[in-house]
Amino acid sequence: EPEVTQTPSHQVTQMGQEVILRCVPISNHLYFYWYRQILGQKVEFLVSFYNNEISEKSEIFDDQFSVERPDGSNFTLKIRSTKLEDSAMYFCASSGGRTFEQYFGPGTRLTVT
Amino acid sequence: DAKTTQPPSMDCAEGRAANLPCNHSTISGNEYVYWYRQIHSQGPQYIIHGLKNNETNEMASLIITEDRKSSTLILPHATLRDTAVYYCIVRVEGSSNTGKLIFGQGTTLQVKP
Repeated sequence: EPEVTQTPSHQVTQMGQEVILRCVPISNHLYFYWYRQILGQKVEFLVSFYNNEISEKSEIFDDQFSVERPDGSNFTLKIRSTKLEDSAMYFCASSGGRTFEQYFGPGTRLTVT
Repeated sequence: DAKTTQPPSMDCAEGRAANLPCNHSTISGNEYVYWYRQIHSQGPQYIIHGLKNNETNEMASLIITEDRKSSTLILPHATLRDTAVYYCIVRVEGSSNTGKLIFGQGTTLQVKP
């Protein structure tokens, strides 16, 4: 069964450093998403991406965040200058259509020290 | 998107049916009801969705009241592996929808032996 994969599973970085979180969505999917979940809190939407551009972003997704689909398979989330409060699980998701069910990856745990 | 209300926690005996309620009294005509679950900080997993008719798949059944103001997710024979946080999400399906999911706090279902 196809699945969304994410690397790394755990990333530790120092405050102010740049991090890139990587995702490989399901191959024939066209819609891509990033969500995050701070420990003990609910899953929060960050950004949706379709046709090589952002279709919607939340208030959390400020200028420190960017997304890219550099090739036909990867979908990345970059945090330019990490802050302590960026520590969270980051989930990538993809779907075959805008109204279709989303498939989530296992997440990357980001720890900012 | 309409707001949903779910009980924070529920218990269920292994092998019995788990019935998880969700209130969405402000739902509008073009909003679907989706159910996802999250097992111990893994990525959320799609379960089922519906508009107004009851739906069933290999994982669960979804019962939506005639006025659509509430719904119930039924896991017919709960197992220990069904212990998870269950999220009821209402989402508009239209051209303005970018596909994002808005998660609430969900219901923590504990299946007990």
